[in-house]
Amino acid sequence: DAMVIQNPRYQVTQFGKPVTLSCSQTLNHNVMYWYQQKSSQAPKLLFHYYDKDFNNEADTPDNFQSRRPNTSFCFLDIRSPGLGDAAMYLCATSRVPLSAVLQETQYFGPGTRLLVL
Amino acid sequence: GENVEQHPSTLSVQEGDSAVIKCTYSDSASNYFPWYKQELGKGPQLIIDIRSNVGEKKDQRIAVTLNKTAKHFSLHITETQPEDSAVYFCTTYLSNAGGTSYGKLTFGQGTILTVHP
Repeated sequence: DAMVIQNPRYQVTQFGKPVTLSCSQTLNHNVMYWYQQKSSQAPKLLFHYYDKDFNNEADTPDNFQSRRPNTSFCFLDIRSPGLGDAAMYLCATSRVPLSAVLQETQYFGPGTRLLVL
Repeated sequence: GENVEQHPSTLSVQEGDSAVIKCTYSDSASNYFPWYKQELGKGPQLIIDIRSNVGEKKDQRIAVTLNKTAKHFSLHITETQPEDSAVYFCTTYLSNAGGTSYGKLTFGQGTILTVHP
């Protein structure tokens, strides 16, 4: 049973052309996260939503935006993709913020691999 | 902020051998240490975790040990199988941090484990 779903699995876009990546979850979790993972690197947190409260990481470029229209869905918008934005984008969820409860688990989706031509 | 160092970056073993991955962390306040396994083309999946008040935890062929004094923790895989081949990430976070708003996973750099049949 899929829990964190990301579509599409592969996305090709052109340099400078806006692109949106999608994530949905069937866990009814309150927190949704977006990570960027480049080849042979650890995932890097871009931002997260706790319910409707948006939290941006300090070093996330302004080119990256996010929307969470309801509990189940979260979108990553890249306004003007550059070649350096080619990466795997991972969506993750947790029931509550990690700081709230010891041993809270993050569940990751399969990722969307973005290619920028 | 927290910094996690993970070694080795690559590890190659024969099927049936043991594999050990080691991590050190900088923030003595970190109190939860999950390990994630990421298979090719997939998102990271939690495989085992340990709390700061526990020295060792075992789940079938995998075990994790924690030395709080030295601030290091290790993943041990015994009787390795080809399906254990993946990238393994150690992570830490600080829960119930008081002033921390939500808590964030800090990742090690990852270890590429290859198990040869």
